[in-house]
Amino acid sequence: EVQLVESGGGLVQPGGSLRLSCAASGFTFSVYWMLWVRQVPGKGLVWVSRINGDGSSISYADSVKGRLTISRDNAKNTLYLQMNSLRAEDTAVYYCVRSGDGAFDMWGQGTMVTVSS
Amino acid sequence: DIVMTQSPDSLAVSLGERATINCKSSQSILNSSNNKKYLAWYQQKPGQPPKVLIFWAASRASGVPDRFSGSGSGTDFTLTISSLQAEDVAIYYCQQFYSLPYTFGQGTKLEIK
Repeated sequence: EVQLVESGGGLVQPGGSLRLSCAASGFTFSVYWMLWVRQVPGKGLVWVSRINGDGSSISYADSVKGRLTISRDNAKNTLYLQMNSLRAEDTAVYYCVRSGDGAFDMWGQGTMVTVSS
Repeated sequence: DIVMTQSPDSLAVSLGERATINCKSSQSILNSSNNKKYLAWYQQKPGQPPKVLIFWAASRASGVPDRFSGSGSGTDFTLTISSLQAEDVAIYYCQQFYSLPYTFGQGTKLEIK
């Protein structure tokens, strides 16, 4: 089955760290750009970061630059998001997304990150 | 950054009637070298992740009913549902991937009248 499954979300204190994982299956993971998109419950969608197939090209939204780090392990078909120095405004559902031809064509179910004391 | 502005913010349409959602980009998202418009439309139902409906502004994604269609020029785009069904109640987002940061419209909530 073609799917993306996120894990690693939870409650963390301001200034804390968390690592999200996204397990991909059913497709050739290594050839696709992958992304993280977040959504505050009840609000809109915000692009966070992207990485190319071999991990050599990475980009971030300004709001997370220097604090969040995207990476991938193609041998394990897994995408990661290392989240450091977390702030209350990072609270959101984080989606792992595949970038296809002309759109973000596959989305995981999302994992909730709550930053609160 | 390219700003994507959708209108209206919410829309109530009778079953079987046409629903039209507009999306305007703050600059052209047409790549003249390949003549492709870097715009996609997504549908999000409560408690679910977004699902792609339309890619390259006008191509329907696999499995999407043909009542959904996309159109538009370099800056103005439209998602049309030709005959609204109950299962189409959702929030709809447009999104540009012409340049970083990728940006989404604020969403349009579609309901049944």
